[in-house]
Amino acid sequence: QVQLVESGGGVVQPGRSLRLSCTASGFNFVNYDMHWVRQAPGKGLEWVAVIWYDGSDKFYADSVKGRFTISRDNSKNTLYLQMSSLRVEDTAVYYCVRGGYTSVRLGGAWGQGTLVTVSS
Amino acid sequence: QTVVTQEPAFSVSPGGTVTLTCGLRSGSVSSSDYPTWFQQSPGQAPRTLIYNTNIRSSGVTDRFSGSILGNKAALTITGAQADDESNYYCGLYVGRGLWVFGGGTKVTVL
Repeated sequence: QVQLVESGGGVVQPGRSLRLSCTASGFNFVNYDMHWVRQAPGKGLEWVAVIWYDGSDKFYADSVKGRFTISRDNSKNTLYLQMSSLRVEDTAVYYCVRGGYTSVRLGGAWGQGTLVTVSS
Repeated sequence: QTVVTQEPAFSVSPGGTVTLTCGLRSGSVSSSDYPTWFQQSPGQAPRTLIYNTNIRSSGVTDRFSGSILGNKAALTITGAQADDESNYYCGLYVGRGLWVFGGGTKVTVL
């Protein structure tokens, strides 16, 4: 079955960096756009970033532009989110989310999320 | 900046029907915005209920349906059950790969 498993979360100090990973299985990863979505404690969902199926293009929310980098390794069925210059307001559960296959779509599958806590 | 609006909360009686809406602070929602609805129970990851306005995700009961009502996207829950008590979020595609979520609607069944 389709599965997305995030890892790499943890506690980090403001200004430091962290890299999240998402390993996909049960579907042809190379065919799908992939997203990161986050949710701060007690708050709603916030879309973070997307990468095209072939890595040819990437887009970011204004709140993370210039600080976060989304990437993928299709040979490893893995999605990444490199987070730099972390701020307290980046504290959230980060979800890996499958996008569309030659279509506009968000949420074909969701991971269980990984918690990132930015605190001194 | 695109702002997506949702009702903060709704209450529905067991067996009843409720319609949640998803609008834009400036403008109308259409199918070209690919309205998508998500359900999230406490402590759980979200799951996708409806995508592309009115297509149910695999395994989603037909008690959930999506539509465009006037200038908003809508999610209708019929025959409400206790386990429908959740937060419901809508997402809209705003172009160039970007999506924006609404603030969510907390649905209580009582």
